[in-house]
Amino acid sequence: SQKIEQNSEVLNIQEGKTATLTCNYTNYSPAYLQWYRQDPGRGPVFLLLIRENEKEKRKERLKVTFDTTLKQSLFHITASQPADSATYLCALPYSSASKIIFGSGTRLSIRP
Amino acid sequence: DADVTQTPRNRITKTGKRIMLECSQTKGHDRMYWYRQDPGLGLQLIYYSFDVKDINKGEISDGYSVSRQAQAKFSLSLESAIPNQTALYFCATSDYSSSYNSPLHFGNGTRLTVT
Repeated sequence: SQKIEQNSEVLNIQEGKTATLTCNYTNYSPAYLQWYRQDPGRGPVFLLLIRENEKEKRKERLKVTFDTTLKQSLFHITASQPADSATYLCALPYSSASKIIFGSGTRLSIRP
Repeated sequence: DADVTQTPRNRITKTGKRIMLECSQTKGHDRMYWYRQDPGLGLQLIYYSFDVKDINKGEISDGYSVSRQAQAKFSLSLESAIPNQTALYFCATSDYSSSYNSPLHFGNGTRLTVT
């Protein structure tokens, strides 16, 4: 079955630097992959989607890459700010896109 | 007003009690989902629904049931609550009819404690 692996340790980054988060999956390559942000006590909020035929997607300070050979997506936040501190989740469709499954998320902490 | 509303926000109940968590949406989306979140385990899919009266099991449906009587409402029931069902529960919607890869829109969750 498909599994999603995200680094469960807190990622501590200095303000202004680029934060890079990793999402690895174990089985078949999905048609697309999504990234969400979750703040404490709140529901996840959608950030970006990247399709299997796209190598890279950008939105303001965010960049996502998708490498189907490595079975990996990278999520970058450039010029990071303390307000970017949150947990970031990757998600992908499972079983003919009828279900969306999530990784356990990586907590990002940006220090001033 | 929130597009996806969950009630209650917090609930404490005793072992063996039946409880229902409600979710309603104003987005007009066809698909609705219930997820459970435990620390370190991420979001686990309990049930999902493609349309009214359509119900599908997710990864961890045992001990739960759902009802989708209207497009805008999707309720989750615990027939006989047990302590390991203590968790944060999220409802989500997606507009699959417009795009197969539509993102999920989440409510703000219900924190359930079973003592």
